[in-house]
Amino acid sequence: DTAVSQTPKYLVTQMGNDKSIKCEQNLGHDTMYWYKQDSKKFLKIMFSYNNKELIINETVPNRFSPKSPDKAHLNLHINSLELGDSAVYFCASRDRGQMSGYTFGSGTRLTVV
Amino acid sequence: DQQVKQNSPSLSVQEGRISILNCDYTNSMFDYFLWYKKYPAEGPTFLISISSIKDKNEDGRFTVFLNKSAKHLSLHIVPSQPGDSAVYFCAAKEDGGSEKLVFGKGTKLTVNP
Repeated sequence: DTAVSQTPKYLVTQMGNDKSIKCEQNLGHDTMYWYKQDSKKFLKIMFSYNNKELIINETVPNRFSPKSPDKAHLNLHINSLELGDSAVYFCASRDRGQMSGYTFGSGTRLTVV
Repeated sequence: DQQVKQNSPSLSVQEGRISILNCDYTNSMFDYFLWYKKYPAEGPTFLISISSIKDKNEDGRFTVFLNKSAKHLSLHIVPSQPGDSAVYFCAAKEDGGSEKLVFGKGTKLTVNP
């Protein structure tokens, strides 16, 4: 009954590979996000989708492509992985009509070697 | 360009005493502030929030104070418990409908029994 679930939890891959991280929420929220926590521990927004429509794209390289097949899912595909992509990626969701906080997933630790 | 700053990377307090976590911001367009708590290998969880039209919000042991003129907010935890040991993130949302949260780097709180 996890509210926001991400898979996989850990991902180790070689430079140049293409990988995907999946996110699903069962809260009925209409807005979903991807955040990245880098080595300096900053949590920064990458993308936001509202009802499958992209509403925020924060100067993220084109190698990152979010896909939202429906409002309960927001997947992140990364092409040609680089060492600097190593980070923890968090998916989150929110009901846009509410001012309360987001619900985050438990994160995916991506390590590029 | 850190718009949300948590200048203390760590804080250690004794059980039963007060914990005070501080946060400063630079963007005067922020109109809503949130605190998140994060345990290792988990996603951030929403703790408490405050609108810019208020100067205090209380929820059980947790109180957030906002000083708009100083662009400063603080989270008070009274009494502190060992289970409160976690990383606390301050976050802010900009007025004008932007969906993104801007996070500080976090403060690691350790409550000693």
